[in-house]
Amino acid sequence: NAGVTQTPKFQVLKTGQSMTLQCAQDMNHEYMSWYRQDPGMGLRLIHYSVGAGITDQGEVPNGYNVSRSTTEDFPLRLLSAAPSQTSVYFCASSYQGALGYTFGSGTRLTVV
Amino acid sequence: GQQVMQIPQYQHVQEGEDFTTYCNSSTTLSNIQWYKQRPGGHPVFLIQLVKSGEVKKQKRLTFQFGEAKKNSSLHITATQTTDVGTYFCAGKGGATNKLIFGTGTLLAVQP
Repeated sequence: NAGVTQTPKFQVLKTGQSMTLQCAQDMNHEYMSWYRQDPGMGLRLIHYSVGAGITDQGEVPNGYNVSRSTTEDFPLRLLSAAPSQTSVYFCASSYQGALGYTFGSGTRLTVV
Repeated sequence: GQQVMQIPQYQHVQEGEDFTTYCNSSTTLSNIQWYKQRPGGHPVFLIQLVKSGEVKKQKRLTFQFGEAKKNSSLHITATQTTDVGTYFCAGKGGATNKLIFGTGTLLAVQP
C-alpha cells in the first residue's frame, strides 16, 4: 500500500496563479482532510470530507476549494495564489474518523 | 470556534530527563489524539484516548485524558535523542467531524 500520496512535493507560484494540489489514498478511508502548517502555528484545518460527494470547511477555508468525486482522491485548488498561502500543505485520511489520521509527506508551496 | 492550546511551545532537555507537554481545549472533546512530527517530516499518529480519565502507555510514553475531557498530557520518561520532534495533540469537539490540532510542543534532547 502506498498510503497517502501528495503531488507535487514542491511548487513555486506567482501571485494570482491557480493550481491544484493532488492527494490520493489507497486505504479506502472515508475521511480526508487538508491542513496547512506555518512556523509557530501548528496545523490548521482548511477543508475536510467524510465521504465521496461530501465536503465541509475547516478553520481557514478562504482562498481554497475542494471536491470529493471519489473515495480515493481529494484535490485542493488554490483559486488565485497569494503570498499568504506560502506554506506546507498536508493531506490526511482516516477510517471513518474513528482512528488516527495517516498523513502524506506534504507539498511545500511558495507564492512569490 | 474550538481552540486547542499546548504548553510549553518548546522544551530543551538533557538525555535521560523526563518531559511533559500539556494540551487544553476550549470545548469538551469527544476524543484526543497525539501525533509526533520529526523535523522535516509529516505528523505520525501515536495514540487516541476516548474515555474520561483514560491513561494509556506506550513504552516510555504515558498519555492521559482529563476527567472533564478538555485537557490531556503526554509524559516521556527518560528521554532519548530519538524522541526529538514536535508533539501535537488533536481533538474533535462535540458532534463535529473537524480534527483540530494544538499548537505543538517542540522537544529538543541534548545527548
